[in-house]
Amino acid sequence: GAVVSQHPSRVICKSGTSVKIECRSLDFQATTMFWYRQFPKQSLMLMATSNEGSKATYEQGVEKDKFLINHASLTLSTLTVTSAHPEDSSFYICSARAQTDTQYFGPGTRLTVL
Amino acid sequence: LAKTTQPISMDSYEGQEVNITCSHNNIATNDYITWYQQFPSQGPRFIIQGYKTKVTNEVASLFIPADRKSSTLSLPRVSLSDTAVYYCLVGDLDRGSTLGRLYFGRGTQLTVWP
Repeated sequence: GAVVSQHPSRVICKSGTSVKIECRSLDFQATTMFWYRQFPKQSLMLMATSNEGSKATYEQGVEKDKFLINHASLTLSTLTVTSAHPEDSSFYICSARAQTDTQYFGPGTRLTVL
Repeated sequence: LAKTTQPISMDSYEGQEVNITCSHNNIATNDYITWYQQFPSQGPRFIIQGYKTKVTNEVASLFIPADRKSSTLSLPRVSLSDTAVYYCLVGDLDRGSTLGRLYFGRGTQLTVWP
């Protein structure tokens, strides 16, 4: 139980394009999902908190217009990186908060912007 | 938000018990303690979670003293596949708000040698 999936697992795009990443909780409902970013050899950095049916809460320094988050249902949250640039290349990871308060993480999405 | 401090790295040999201690001096009443394991290019995997005293599951034990200012993750009889980064985090129990955010520190790189 408590499985979180992400799609795609890997994406390569050209600079200036937008990329959408999906995060799904497969066997539980998650009113809250979180998005993280991880650069090589570094720890996870929380980007935003996504609550079903409401606007996301972004961490300080994270551009909300660049990283669009939509939490349309209790099992799906999407992160769209708009007008991606090479510096946005990173490992993006989502997590979903279960009723037990535990966060379960997805497998991550490797974004490479050329 | 409670900050955590862990050793940057630890080494062990196969079959030994490994104890990783985490300090969280400013832990709040509503905070719980969670440990995650992360392999390269994967999302963190939940290991164990607790609030006080001792918690044990099929993979690890978590020891939390009465003052809750530290916690120790115990991995019995480690194998080579336990080589990973281990993160200790504290988070709020308030399920109804965004206070369940988790902020990752640098974690502990555990290397298990044959």
